[in-house]
Amino acid sequence: QKEVEQNSGPLSVPEGAIASLNCTYSDRVSQSFFWYRQYSGKSPELIMSIYSNGDKEDGRFTAQLNKASQYVSLLIRDSQPSDSATYLCAVKMAGNNRKLIWGLGTSLAVNP
Amino acid sequence: EPEVTQTPSHQVTQMGQEVILRCVPISNHLYFYWYRQILGQKVEFLVSFYNNEISEKSEIFDDQFSVERPDGSNFTLKIRSTKLEDSAMYFCASSGLIADTQYFGPGTRLTVL
Repeated sequence: QKEVEQNSGPLSVPEGAIASLNCTYSDRVSQSFFWYRQYSGKSPELIMSIYSNGDKEDGRFTAQLNKASQYVSLLIRDSQPSDSATYLCAVKMAGNNRKLIWGLGTSLAVNP
Repeated sequence: EPEVTQTPSHQVTQMGQEVILRCVPISNHLYFYWYRQILGQKVEFLVSFYNNEISEKSEIFDDQFSVERPDGSNFTLKIRSTKLEDSAMYFCASSGLIADTQYFGPGTRLTVL
């Protein structure tokens, strides 16, 4: 059973701090990795994708991938109250199929 | 900015009834997906669709489920005989031919009574 694991939280950080969200996955041949944000009652909204080992930055967001450790993380710099949401990690396996396997998500609360 | 749309936003039905959930994927996308999320649980893959046929389906996607692209824009999920446990948010997503990033619609909340 291929799994994606996240700490469910809640993770609470003060406004302006760095929030660090982590995700591990079980299938070593996983190929593509995605971070989505989900507000309560809403659909997943893409934040970033990452495919290669290392860091990828987009504005206040940095995704980090370590395939050897089967670990992907998301850093949110200068956290804002509007960042308060559940952050979902999703993984696509190698090969032609495109289904995403999801973690349960980490709930983030940014306190003003 | 192009987006995936879904209708209805909320569907209430009686157990045993048929429901059709509708989606309009992003216009130049070629891969279409349905996922569901039971309250408080993980997002679960149901089915992917490409070139007018199912490319992959999960164990959840049994004979009571079907998908169809009835025209050049719509993509539908039919649940033939709904059960209480089908109550969930159903999300449609689409992606391009090369890029595998999936973009999600706003979802349909299905409530089976």
